[in-house]
Amino acid sequence: GESVGLHLPTLSVQEGDNSIINCAYSNSASDYFIWYKQESGKGPQFIIDIRSNMDKRQGQRVTVLLNKTVKHLSLQIAATQPGDSAVYFCAEITGTYKYIFGTGTRLKVLA
Amino acid sequence: NAGVTQTPKFRILKIGQSMTLQCTQDMNHNYMYWYRQDPGMGLKLIYYSVGAGITDKGEVPNGYNVSRSTTEDFPLRLELAAPSQTSVYFCASSLRHTYEQYFGPGTRLTVT
Repeated sequence: GESVGLHLPTLSVQEGDNSIINCAYSNSASDYFIWYKQESGKGPQFIIDIRSNMDKRQGQRVTVLLNKTVKHLSLQIAATQPGDSAVYFCAEITGTYKYIFGTGTRLKVLA
Repeated sequence: NAGVTQTPKFRILKIGQSMTLQCTQDMNHNYMYWYRQDPGMGLKLIYYSVGAGITDKGEVPNGYNVSRSTTEDFPLRLELAAPSQTSVYFCASSLRHTYEQYFGPGTRLTVT
């Protein structure tokens, strides 16, 4: 069946280091992908998106990479800061309304 | 702009009780959504709306109802609360033809 999952439930990184959060998806027809950040007690916050016709997209301190061959999505956060501590999850979108959300990876930034 | 607001923040219901979760957005977004988030699970779409007067079922609509009489408001109704509806509920909105959804702060509901 269709699924979006994450390889690591918890990721601990040293402040200042780069973080890489991974996501696997199973639906090759998905044409759009989004990364969200969710802080404790808050709603998800859009970070960055990428369309299926792209391999890479960069934002401010964040980069999303899409490898359609192996159905893999990653979020790279440069120079990780304490404020980056949160749960990160990906979503794949097929068509207009079919969103499949991953369960999330908790990022812990160590001082 | 306040963005997407939800009330209440927390609620405890007894089995069989009813309640309405309120959601309002002030961004003039056409699309609005209701999700539930269970521990260790990804968000699940309950209902969505593409504009005032138009609603449709998502992945897990059983036990819920919605209405969309205005662009700004999208309330979610639970008629007969069940323990399986214990969850955190998020409302979201987006512009037509864009995928970036703006989420509210959530309502934590416990049914006992």
